[in-house]
Amino acid sequence: EVQLVESGGGLVQPGGSLRLSCAASGFTFGEYAFTWVRQAPGKGLECVSAVSYNGLSTDYANSVKDRFTIYRDNSNNTLYLQMGSLRSEDTATYYCARGISVSYRGPFDYWGQGTVVTVSS
Amino acid sequence: EIVLTQSPGTLSLSPGERATLSCRASESFSSYFLAWYQQKPGQAPRLLISGASGRAIGIPDRFSGSGSGTDFTLTISRLEPEDFAVYYCQQYADSPYTFGQGTKLEIQ
Repeated sequence: EVQLVESGGGLVQPGGSLRLSCAASGFTFGEYAFTWVRQAPGKGLECVSAVSYNGLSTDYANSVKDRFTIYRDNSNNTLYLQMGSLRSEDTATYYCARGISVSYRGPFDYWGQGTVVTVSS
Repeated sequence: EIVLTQSPGTLSLSPGERATLSCRASESFSSYFLAWYQQKPGQAPRLLISGASGRAIGIPDRFSGSGSGTDFTLTISRLEPEDFAVYYCQQYADSPYTFGQGTKLEIQ
């Protein structure tokens, strides 16, 4: 059974940092691209950052470029999102989503349950 | 950036009725790069349709997708109680891979 379990969310002050993790199981992690998708309270979905199957190719939304870093550890089946210089508008539920192929272009066939990030003083 | 506009914002129907949800893009792209998701309160989105018309694994055949260019449609032929949720379209033709704002399908 495919499972994606996010962790690392919490309350952080503006300007602070946080690292999200997504532990994967039930499939060959290194054969798939991943995307972090966020959803602000009561709002829609936004692709934040994506990484290819081998970690060599990444993509970022303009809203998080130069503040967030996505990376993966294929030996430990884990995806990460290092978040820095956090702003109130980064407050959201962050989902880890699996792409359907090695490239991060593509729909997301499995999602984690999400981890909540709240940026507030 | 490709902007996706979904309509209507809210659709009120009864179980057994047919639902038609629209997704219009600000520029044309191949239907190969259009997906639909369903999201229920407190849950992650679930992939329904990819490539505009291909049902994901385990999705009932009452869900169908169609369209091309800038106009895409998700149709639910006969609504079941569990279908009442928010539906999002997504394009993955050009980065950033954007979502529509969602259509809430509610019980009338």
